[in-house]
Amino acid sequence: DAGVTQSPTHLIKTRGQQVTLRCSPKSGHDTVSWYQQALGQGPQFIFQYYEEEERQRGNFPDRFSGHQFPNYSSELNVNALLLGDSALYLCASSFSTSSYEQYFGPGTRLTVT
Amino acid sequence: GQQLNQSPQSMFIQEGEDVSMNCTSSSIFNTWLWYKQDPGEGPVLLIALYKAGELTSNGRLTAQFGITRKDSFLNISASIPSDVGIYFCAGRSTSKLTFGTGTRLQVTL
Repeated sequence: DAGVTQSPTHLIKTRGQQVTLRCSPKSGHDTVSWYQQALGQGPQFIFQYYEEEERQRGNFPDRFSGHQFPNYSSELNVNALLLGDSALYLCASSFSTSSYEQYFGPGTRLTVT
Repeated sequence: GQQLNQSPQSMFIQEGEDVSMNCTSSSIFNTWLWYKQDPGEGPVLLIALYKAGELTSNGRLTAQFGITRKDSFLNISASIPSDVGIYFCAGRSTSKLTFGTGTRLQVTL
């Protein structure tokens, strides 16, 4: 039973560029949430997708956008990258938005130079 | 964004010792979760608590959901070297998780 997978593992981008990160949820899960984890801090909620729609959003600017596909996989897009966007981006999946338990992938380490 | 307060921030203990850590919030949560994160990996769910006052165990781990719904506690008994890592609490309201600042645990032989 495959857990949550994310790609790529690491990524280096330049300020002003755009990036797309990908996530495949755990088998049987239909809800995907994205988190940003800065070095030395806990994860911060970005947004959640269910039934191909953004259902809830944290305190992140519109430069952060996402998408969910019919097979429940998801993408996180960040435009006009800033140095402060350097972080570990985590994807978590769950069975429905009301599930209490979210399972995390290994993350994508984004470095903006 | 909001982060929950965890204490202690870090701790060094000897193998075999018991460990206690806690998490406090200014907001009420309906569910409390405890995660462990190893370097270069995502957080792994350890224990989930669904009701105020609930005490739940998972092997050597025991966690409690505070009566006020604004705090939670995690205890690890008889620590072993593989307990090393960062422990995060997370409170759940609606469907998003709000994480704590983390407790870094290091175990010496």
